[in-house]
Amino acid sequence: DVKVTQSSRYLVKRTGEKVFLECVQDMDHENMFWYRQDPGLGLRLIYFSYDVKMKEKGDIPEGYSVSREKKERFSLILESASTNQTSMYLCASSFRSGVTNEKLFFGSGTQLSVL
Amino acid sequence: AQKITQTQPGMFVQEKEAVTLDCTYDTSDPSYGLFWYKQPSSGEMIFLIYQGSYDQQNATEGRYSLNFQKARKSANLVISASQLGDSAMYFCAMREALRGAGTALIFGKGTTLSVSS
Repeated sequence: DVKVTQSSRYLVKRTGEKVFLECVQDMDHENMFWYRQDPGLGLRLIYFSYDVKMKEKGDIPEGYSVSREKKERFSLILESASTNQTSMYLCASSFRSGVTNEKLFFGSGTQLSVL
Repeated sequence: AQKITQTQPGMFVQEKEAVTLDCTYDTSDPSYGLFWYKQPSSGEMIFLIYQGSYDQQNATEGRYSLNFQKARKSANLVISASQLGDSAMYFCAMREALRGAGTALIFGKGTTLSVSS
């Protein structure tokens, strides 16, 4: 089975801190994604990457950056955490097959609280 | 414009009854895929079912079926014989082929399903 692992299930940080959320997948997937989930808003795409060192902005990239130095690892970085970044963060990965039925495999999520 | 619309914030159903979760979508791409995911309280996103825009038949996976009405741009999830373990948040999602390989899914806002005994 595909495994997507997010390093922390719960994280509490202070305003202004630099925050790293880590995600690792073990199935040699080309694509990796970071979503943010908020009540009543569903999942919104922050960034995605289709190859090592490649990244594309999603719908809400402001205040975030990403890093993909190795194929299996995709990091989300909050340069200076703010309270409005309190949210559930979901990492996902997929093969790059180029077809519409390519499903995403998700990690268990990181609930980040910024105080 | 919102691409995926789930109009039911919450749904309630009795055990063993069938329930339909609504999803409408908006795209001008003739080739697209539609997905349903389940998210229990544990937070994990579980893939349930997929329907391609060119598929002639509605997709089915066990107790899950997708009522795909292309002209109406709807892709409703039908859960037959509901079980207590079906209580969860359900998300409808879409991928458009024209956006290219490796593109992300676009998700709706979700519907919370509560199953009672």
